[in-house]
Amino acid sequence: ETGVTQTPRHLVMGMTNKKSLKCEQHLGHNAMYWYKQSAKKPLELMFVYNFKEQTENNSVPSRFSPECPNSSHLFLHLHTLQPEDSALYLCASSRASQLAGYTDTQYFGPGTRLTVL
Amino acid sequence: DQQVKQNSPSLSVQEGRISILNCDYTNSMFDYFLWYKKYPAEGPTFLISISSIKDKNEDGRFTVFLNKSAKHLSLHIVPSQPGDSAVYFCAASGNQFYFGTGTSLTVIP
Repeated sequence: ETGVTQTPRHLVMGMTNKKSLKCEQHLGHNAMYWYKQSAKKPLELMFVYNFKEQTENNSVPSRFSPECPNSSHLFLHLHTLQPEDSALYLCASSRASQLAGYTDTQYFGPGTRLTVL
Repeated sequence: DQQVKQNSPSLSVQEGRISILNCDYTNSMFDYFLWYKKYPAEGPTFLISISSIKDKNEDGRFTVFLNKSAKHLSLHIVPSQPGDSAVYFCAASGNQFYFGTGTSLTVIP
């Protein structure tokens, strides 16, 4: 039990579809993150939210759109994706983010395995 | 350009022996380092961390060593158990976390 849940666990979508990934944390944290993990590559940070405000966007294409309605929930809206976007998408949370001046352990969800056809 | 590197993609160790996983980093400003463990179909789980003001941190069978002059981090697992078989990621904290590509550890019974 990591305290961070993600749904769905697996998703297959066509390039013209629109879908959303959901993340929920039950740890009382204030920072939430989206990461992308592709085969043989390190985890790539995509977005950071600190106290519901987006504080980092690591040059992510606009076909990925995050939403953070509150400190416990984080969404990643997907539209017109490309096959190279197929990857494991991981959500994480921590008490606060590095950019807020904190160095804190991040706790990860199980990930969503995304396949774009 | 990768700021955190794990140069060994895999490691096999006999049960009961020591496992040593290595990690190198490039940025001397990193001040906090972590190791995560990942089983298939699960997200990474936090294992152990170390601040740059220390050179060693121990938690049960797991010990992390930090050599700041060499910009090198290592994780020692002793004794190794079959349940330790997983992928291990090191991470370094600057303005964000930077992760290595992982080392797949297999502990042979």
